Amino acid sequence: DAKTTQPNSMESNEEEPVHLPCNHSTISGTDYIHWYRQLPSQGPEYVIHGLTSNVNNRMASLAIAEDRKSSTLILHRATLRDAAVYYCTAIPYNNNDMRFGAGTRLTVKP
Amino acid sequence: EAQVTQNPRYLITVTGKKLTVTCSQNMNHEYMSWYRQDPGLGLRQIYYSMNVEVTDKGDVPEGYKVSRKEKRNFPLILESPSPNQTSLYFCASSPPRGGNEQFFGPGTRLTVL
Repeated sequence: DAKTTQPNSMESNEEEPVHLPCNHSTISGTDYIHWYRQLPSQGPEYVIHGLTSNVNNRMASLAIAEDRKSSTLILHRATLRDAAVYYCTAIPYNNNDMRFGAGTRLTVKP
Repeated sequence: EAQVTQNPRYLITVTGKKLTVTCSQNMNHEYMSWYRQDPGLGLRQIYYSMNVEVTDKGDVPEGYKVSRKEKRNFPLILESPSPNQTSLYFCASSPPRGGNEQFFGPGTRLTVL
């Protein structure tokens, strides 16, 4: 399984964009890059995923480096409700076996 | 509503008393898994199942059993719980391939005295 590396914590101001980085230098060519987040006292929830191209959805954008060794989750306008631990993970194409790293704890300041 | 449910949500028990935590999903997903979450150790996978009657060990399977007799259910069984199994447990489900969103249950907080 590809190992992912993320900063332990990040801070952002409310209504400003946030860029959360993830390094996955050992990713295989067919691994999907997934991002999940865990709000306080809740289970993880899906944010976004991609394979090679950048992806957008209602929650966030995912920018994947051309060599796929890193990716960045972009929250366009952080809100207080976005304060959570964000996990980046690489998942093989032929199953959905997911392993979590330590994640990044995002603090959003009013 | 598409969801993963877990029962019970909270449980306090004593060492050695067998217990089962149930997990059920209504999305007809093939893939299901169990995680435990501990402070400082993050989420660790206990067992997973690719389909009915197919289960496999995750990273921390010792002391746990699972079964997958029906597609919708994936119970976690602790035959003889010990205090080091005090933890927050999450069940998840998804379609089988890596390009799919995983859905997580609300969690079960287990305390073993």
